[in-house]
Amino acid sequence: DTEVTQTPKHLVMGMTNKKSLKCEQHMGHRAMYWYKQKAKKPPELMFVYSYEKLSINESVPSRFSPECPNSSLLNLHLHALQPEDSALYLCASSQDGFYGYTFGSGTRLTVV
Amino acid sequence: DQQVKQNSPSLSVQEGRISILNCDYTNSMFDYFLWYKKYPAEGPTFLISISSIKDKNEDGRFTVFLNKSAKHLSLHIVPSQPGDSAVYFCAASWDRAAGNKLTFGGGTRVLVKP
Repeated sequence: DTEVTQTPKHLVMGMTNKKSLKCEQHMGHRAMYWYKQKAKKPPELMFVYSYEKLSINESVPSRFSPECPNSSLLNLHLHALQPEDSALYLCASSQDGFYGYTFGSGTRLTVV
Repeated sequence: DQQVKQNSPSLSVQEGRISILNCDYTNSMFDYFLWYKKYPAEGPTFLISISSIKDKNEDGRFTVFLNKSAKHLSLHIVPSQPGDSAVYFCAASWDRAAGNKLTFGGGTRVLVKP
């Protein structure tokens, strides 16, 4: 298995909703990431988990809450989002160093 | 401050010809560089990488060149094929610990005409 799987592929949520994005990999990678990508912009890092511990938080608002239940799973909990949070949310994973830095297909999030 | 720049937002090339994509960086700490290809509504797909100890890496139709003194790298695609039409991102990093931040350039949209 050489994939990073993200669910759901599409999500529409209201500003008062609570939802979660899920990411899974079975490549034995020890680092997992959340990136956000707006239209016609490059991906921007949000969070990095290294060995199941949060190692980087790029000053993301608290309405985004990451969780790493185990080395294969990464969640992003969403609460009270704003319309400007609408974007493609990408999960990635990697081995030590940069080897195998692999992205999932993303979740297209629309906040209404 | 944009540390990784792709100054050409788009590139059009005839099928069979060479595509050359350029990327400049400002952070001299960067020592590992990657190229990704991205189709709309999909995640980036890894293409090729190069570390700062090399100046060239080749994989099939894709070759990446690194000029450290100029802080410049380029991706050559030869021959270009219509399926290569996508947005290409260069990315750079310098942290070797597990859990590495990639800094992306703005992307170059490539159109390969049949």
